[in-house]
Amino acid sequence: AQKVTQAQTEISVVEKEDVTLDCVYETRDTTYYLFWYKQPPSGELVFLIRRNSFDEQNEISGRYSWNFQKSTSSFNFTITASQVVDSAVYFCALKHPGNTPLVFGKGTRLSVIA
Amino acid sequence: DARVTQTPRDKVTEMGQEVTMRCQPILGHNTVFWYRQTMMQGLELLAYFRNRAPLDDSGMPKDRFSAEMPDATLATLKIQPSEPRDSAVYFCASGLGPPGGGYGYTFGSGTRLTVV
Repeated sequence: AQKVTQAQTEISVVEKEDVTLDCVYETRDTTYYLFWYKQPPSGELVFLIRRNSFDEQNEISGRYSWNFQKSTSSFNFTITASQVVDSAVYFCALKHPGNTPLVFGKGTRLSVIA
Repeated sequence: DARVTQTPRDKVTEMGQEVTMRCQPILGHNTVFWYRQTMMQGLELLAYFRNRAPLDDSGMPKDRFSAEMPDATLATLKIQPSEPRDSAVYFCASGLGPPGGGYGYTFGSGTRLTVV
């Protein structure tokens, strides 16, 4: 069975603070892919990152970084020096190879206050 | 940038009416998904197609929902009759890749459905 858990329903931080969004996944397969999507107030789903199960290297993209740890089945997302524009709902998702659907977590609503 | 186009953007309808939502996947993409987003359930998969053939529609209430791909450029999701509990945002997503691929998908902007 596949499952993605985002235990934090809502997080509120003050601008310029760092914030980490947690994601824990469950799968029996050894090959899988992990994703993060951002859903700003306008409603669209914006792809942020994809990671495959064989690549545990952490990734940094500007103020965003991702920590993938297979030992704890986690794929956490950190925003450094948060900004008001980062306010959104963030979804973590899991996928198996091929034309298979994304399985989403429930999302974490991040509010960055000026 | 190529994008997935969904119409209408917003739809308000009365209970019992038929609703049809449309999706134009990115040209050349061979896989199309329909997801529904509600506050309570989050993002749920309703159905998906590969090369226009339905692969899985187990997430869809069969008695009132139907999904089709009349051609490679159009996917439709129909609700008949609609009920207030169908109120949600419906997303279409498309993707392309070999069977072993782990590519992600591009989502449309969604159709916000309100059934009163």
